[in-house]
Amino acid sequence: DAGVTQSPTHLIKTRGQHVTLRCSPISGHKSVSWYQQVLGQGPQFIFQYYEKEERGRGNFPDRFSARQFPNYSSELNVNALLLGDSALYLCASSPPGGGAREQFFGPGTRLTVL
Amino acid sequence: EDQVTQSPEALRLQEGESSSLNCSYTVSGLRGLFWYRQDPGKGPEFLFTLYSAGEEKEKERLKATLTKKESFLHITAPKPEDSATYLCAVYSGEAGTALIFGKGTTLSVSS
Repeated sequence: DAGVTQSPTHLIKTRGQHVTLRCSPISGHKSVSWYQQVLGQGPQFIFQYYEKEERGRGNFPDRFSARQFPNYSSELNVNALLLGDSALYLCASSPPGGGAREQFFGPGTRLTVL
Repeated sequence: EDQVTQSPEALRLQEGESSSLNCSYTVSGLRGLFWYRQDPGKGPEFLFTLYSAGEEKEKERLKATLTKKESFLHITAPKPEDSATYLCAVYSGEAGTALIFGKGTTLSVSS
């Protein structure tokens, strides 16, 4: 079975630009979470969506937004990019059933802001 | 405040030299502790979930254990292919849908 997929793999942007990252969860998973990972740190939670509704938001500015589509895929949008937004952006999906379930991660999108 | 601390930050082992990685956590109402392996430039790969103190899980040369305040990842007779960063995470007691990660332990195994 296919795992979590993300696109693009790599992206280079300049300060002030906008970026959209895409994620497709594992088939049958309805929950998608986004994380930011800077070099040398663990992933940091940005958003979680379940059944197209936002269920959680981390400590990130309003420049970050996301949405989930009827097929459970998701987009992460970042406006007015800053140098500090350079990071590996990870998407994860969780199996249905509720509770504290494990999250399965995609390969990530490497964003470089110049 | 929810917190996950991993030690050591880096660990160098010879092939066959067993050791343990530590993950200590502070969270209100533990709802699961998760171990992941991450290779450079890739997404974390799920290894284990532990839900209650005393629980143990094993997979090949890895064994994870859990107490009320910490978890250990024991690596028995490691091989060079076990070289990676190992991440520990718990669900936040404050923001229930967020996984809180430690900074990880980078393991290097030489032959």
